[in-house]
Amino acid sequence: DGGITQSPKYLFRKEGQNVTLSCEQNLNHDAMYWYRQDPGQGLRLIYYSQIVNDFQKGDIAEGYSVSREKKESFPLTVTSAQKNPTAFYLCASSIVTSGRPEQFFGPGTRLTVL
Amino acid sequence: GENVEQHPSTLSVQEGDSAVIKCTYSDSASNYFPWYKQELGKGPQLIIDIRSNVGEKKDQRIAVTLNKTAKHFSLHITETQPEDSAVYFCAASDPRGSTLGRLYFGRGTQLTVWP
Repeated sequence: DGGITQSPKYLFRKEGQNVTLSCEQNLNHDAMYWYRQDPGQGLRLIYYSQIVNDFQKGDIAEGYSVSREKKESFPLTVTSAQKNPTAFYLCASSIVTSGRPEQFFGPGTRLTVL
Repeated sequence: GENVEQHPSTLSVQEGDSAVIKCTYSDSASNYFPWYKQELGKGPQLIIDIRSNVGEKKDQRIAVTLNKTAKHFSLHITETQPEDSAVYFCAASDPRGSTLGRLYFGRGTQLTVWP
C-alpha cells in the first residue's frame, strides 16, 4: 500500500525545545516537500528536495532545518529559533521528470508549542 | 517565482447549486494547474488538474477551465453535495519548468454546502 506517512499526528513541545517531524514515502518519488499551514495562510513552502543529499529553501525556511539522506525520508526539524512554531505541517512528494508535478500529501502533523 | 491569487476565501451554497472558485497567476510560463481538496484535519488531495495546452477538463461533477491569455483558471462544481464541503486550493507549476516540481498555491477557499 503506497503512500506518505507522517508521524506523529499530534505533537506537543515546550518552548525552546527542538522537535523533529517525520515524513516517509514508499512511492519512489524523487522530490519531497514540507509545508506549513496556518488558518487563512494557505500552504507555505518551508523546504524542498529534488534529489537525495540536496535541498533548497522555500519561502519560510528561517527556524527550520531538513536532511535528505535517503530517498524515502525527509525529516523536518523545528528549532528553537522558529518564533511561532505552532501550526499544521504537511509533507508531500512528487515525480518531477514527468512534466506533471502532481504532489501527493501526507496526513499532516499538528505541532503545538506550549 | 509565481504569484497565485484565489477568490473567494469563503463560499456558501445550497445543496444542488453550483460553486465556482477562481484563481489568477502571474507568470505565463507556468503550464500545469492542479486543484486540491482538503478535508478537516487531513492532507490535501488532488481532484483535477489541467495543462496549458487544454482549455477545459471535466470529471463528473467537477470541471476546470483555463484562460491562458488572461492568466486565470477556475474550478466549477455542479450539483453540490454536503460532502463537497472542504477547503479547496488552486496551484500553478514553477514557471522555470514543471520538471522542477515546485507548485505555488493559492490561499484556499472554504466551501460550505448547506443541506
